[in-house]
Amino acid sequence: GQQLNQSPQSMFIQEGEDVSMNCTSSSIFNTWLWYKQEPGEGPVLLIALYKAGELTSNGRLTAQFGITRKDSFLNISASIPSDVGIYFCAGQKGGGTSYGKLTFGQGTILTVHP
Amino acid sequence: DVKVTQSSRYLVKRTGEKVFLECVQDMDHENMFWYRQDPGLGLRLIYFSYDVKMKEKGDIPEGYSVSREKKERFSLILESASTNQTSMYLCASSIDEKLFFGSGTQLSVL
Repeated sequence: GQQLNQSPQSMFIQEGEDVSMNCTSSSIFNTWLWYKQEPGEGPVLLIALYKAGELTSNGRLTAQFGITRKDSFLNISASIPSDVGIYFCAGQKGGGTSYGKLTFGQGTILTVHP
Repeated sequence: DVKVTQSSRYLVKRTGEKVFLECVQDMDHENMFWYRQDPGLGLRLIYFSYDVKMKEKGDIPEGYSVSREKKERFSLILESASTNQTSMYLCASSIDEKLFFGSGTQLSVL
């Protein structure tokens, strides 16, 4: 099955720095989602995007749905130690019987040094 | 809050054994999923179910089967475990496109 290309694979940053990660695909998705996974837990939904060009924020997190519908990015501003984890992008091609059938990126491992 | 509970946190099995991974959700969601997580590969969909007794193959169904006898319970079955099935297994239920995951079962097949 297809995978999304997520980059970077890992990031080591200082507390207070901003973080950017992105996801690209060769095909179109109708919905983009960003998840965070903390050690020992399952992924938790951070942001969902539904329209091309949409820019959505959740606290210090901002995500955008690319105009071409083939990409998305996530920014984290002023990082803090609890931002540590693995961040996944995910795309869904349609609705209805496609609900929950997500294609995931490889993940970005974020480490924040105090 | 939605709660998705996976019965085992860690499992160690031998090659050839039949393995059952159990998952229960408490939010009356119709949709349930099994994903597999491997480093560098992200999450990949194994099987999913939109209703009781209904199942559909995901992207990597080979070597797996599922059972959904009750709405709240979705089981993943490895008929004859192999070493390449050593992985983290994540169960999820969903409202629309929003997946709610369990904490995962780390399966090691020796």
